[in-house]
Amino acid sequence: AQTVTQSQPEMSVQEAETVTLSCTYDTSESDYYLFWYKQPPSRQMILVIRQEAYKQQNATENRFSVNFQKAAKSFSLKISDSQLGDAAMYFCASLGGSEKLVFGKGTKLTVNP
Amino acid sequence: DAGITQSPRHKVTETGTPVTLRCHQTENHRYMYWYRQDPGHGLRLIHYSYGVKDTDKGEVSDGYSVSRSKTEDFLLTLESATSSQTSVYFCAIRGQQGKELNTEAFFGQGTRLTVV
Repeated sequence: AQTVTQSQPEMSVQEAETVTLSCTYDTSESDYYLFWYKQPPSRQMILVIRQEAYKQQNATENRFSVNFQKAAKSFSLKISDSQLGDAAMYFCASLGGSEKLVFGKGTKLTVNP
Repeated sequence: DAGITQSPRHKVTETGTPVTLRCHQTENHRYMYWYRQDPGHGLRLIHYSYGVKDTDKGEVSDGYSVSRSKTEDFLLTLESATSSQTSVYFCAIRGQQGKELNTEAFFGQGTRLTVV
């Protein structure tokens, strides 16, 4: 079975500070991708960052980076220098060879000025 | 804009009636997905398609059926709507031909369905 677990329903961070969102996953596939998507109040889903499982190097996109621990099946998202516009629901997701795209329950991030 | 449109955007229906939601894409993406989003449950996969007439079940497929008779359209049908199917439904597409990195999914704007 392919599952994604986000254990933090809500998180908050002060503007300009750093926050880490947690995600664990389970899959029986050897080749897969992991993602973080952002959903602001507009409900539009936006890809934040993508990690290919066969790449050991952690992905980074500007202020966003991941800590990918393959053996532990952990995939956390770090947001540096948090901005008010980062406030949103964040979803962790996995995509395997079956082409099934599975999401976690999400973490609601609040950014305090 | 990834060229994906959901219709209708809002719908209120009565318990026991059939309902069909449409997802239309203009980008020739191979894979299409239907999700429902409910507070506390995130996005749950209902059904997905990996080609014309090729579909498979997701984690919450009971009470739903799908059809994909052409690349552009993926229909989700609630055979006999129940109040537990009140939700926001999202369609997603992925896998544009010719693109190297075709793992990114693009989402429609969602359909808010209320079953009374």
